[in-house]
Amino acid sequence: KAGVTQTPRYLIKTRGQQVTLSCSPISGHRSVSWYQQTPGQGLQFLFEYFSETQRNKGNFPGRFSGRQFSNSRSEMNVSTLELGDSALYLCASGAEGYEQYFGPGTRLTVT
Amino acid sequence: AQKITQTQPGMFVQEKEAVTLDCTYDTSDPSYGLFWYKQPSSGEMIFLIYQGSYDQQNATEGRYSLNFQKARKSANLVISASQLGDSAMYFCAMREGGGGSNYKLTFGKGTLLTVNP
Repeated sequence: KAGVTQTPRYLIKTRGQQVTLSCSPISGHRSVSWYQQTPGQGLQFLFEYFSETQRNKGNFPGRFSGRQFSNSRSEMNVSTLELGDSALYLCASGAEGYEQYFGPGTRLTVT
Repeated sequence: AQKITQTQPGMFVQEKEAVTLDCTYDTSDPSYGLFWYKQPSSGEMIFLIYQGSYDQQNATEGRYSLNFQKARKSANLVISASQLGDSAMYFCAMREGGGGSNYKLTFGKGTLLTVNP
């Protein structure tokens, strides 16, 4: 079974631009969660989607948004990028039960 | 108050020895799950072990075991027979509520484990 895939793996953007990150969960998993990891704040929950519906949302500004498609693939969008948005963005795929599996992450650098 | 506390920013262990990584948690929800993840320098989070709040026995997965002390709200990870490849960042995480309705994980700040040859 293929694991969680995230694209792109690395991204460099300029302040003020917007960016879209993609996550494909493990086949059969309907939940996709997104996390931001920075040296200062650690790992923080952004949002979770289940069957195309946002089920949970973390404490991030409205510039951070996401969606999930009918095939469970999810995208995360960040508009009007700020320097502080530089981070490793991880997505996690979950099925019924407890296990969640993470993808390799997208490392975003904002200059 | 922090929900997940990992008090050891860094730990050193000799190869082939056992090591315990500490984790304490705080929740008022009777139903919760505790996780440990390993994050090598590549960045990917690797699932290691899970303990449910209603599980009677401590979880074990190969060389990993979770020392679950519910009354003390502690969920320490024990790695037996450490290997050089175990050098990585280790995160303790908690999910509150039933597993079918909530996949939000709250993470601790992590412990950097270094295994010395």
